[in-house]
Amino acid sequence: QQPVQSPQAVILREGEDAVINCSSSKALYSVHWYRQKHGEAPVFLMILLKGGEQKGHDKISASFNEKKQQSSLYLTASQLSYSGTYFCGTPVYSGGGADGLTFGKGTHLIIQP
Amino acid sequence: KAGVTQTPRYLIKTRGQQVTLSCSPISGHRSVSWYQQTPGQGLQFLFEYFSETQRNKGNFPGRFSGRQFSNSRSEMNVSTLELGDSALYLCASSSEGEGEKLFFGSGTQLSVL
Repeated sequence: QQPVQSPQAVILREGEDAVINCSSSKALYSVHWYRQKHGEAPVFLMILLKGGEQKGHDKISASFNEKKQQSSLYLTASQLSYSGTYFCGTPVYSGGGADGLTFGKGTHLIIQP
Repeated sequence: KAGVTQTPRYLIKTRGQQVTLSCSPISGHRSVSWYQQTPGQGLQFLFEYFSETQRNKGNFPGRFSGRQFSNSRSEMNVSTLELGDSALYLCASSSEGEGEKLFFGSGTQLSVL
């Protein structure tokens, strides 16, 4: 089942902070975050594992709340290069393990100078 | 290391035709997954292959099929094309050594007229 992301879109000024949320109706064991710039392929940002620590990537960090079945992505002091669409993904499990990801519909982030 | 390569980059077909898309994963990656991306639905999981075996399949009709060869290259086929199949088709490869991190290709933009 597809995770739900919010907000759908955010417009910020350079230097402002943003939070993107991702929630699931199913139990989560891991959450993946990707960023896609216009006309480009999605690029991996980070994976958060159940019971794991909060991850960081430059000034982008994320948390994972297993009880609430949600993850949040934090962008601090945003830069122009942060613009793009952010997707969270949760594993698709078959009998043998996690095979593929199901993604949320994405959050469009626009950073203005 | 070369990235994930998808061919062709653009494709225009008419309703009722069939199409085959190709994906060459990163050298050494044995898992290949396919995604359909549309503005309305975002990234949707199609299927995942590992060592020539389909391990998981998303919620798509049987017109969508795929296969993986012994060199890990993968093809995706869509038969009896419909207008709604117009989308960006992304392929991603991953390696057991890098967990579930996906490396995406630039995609094939399919337009069905």
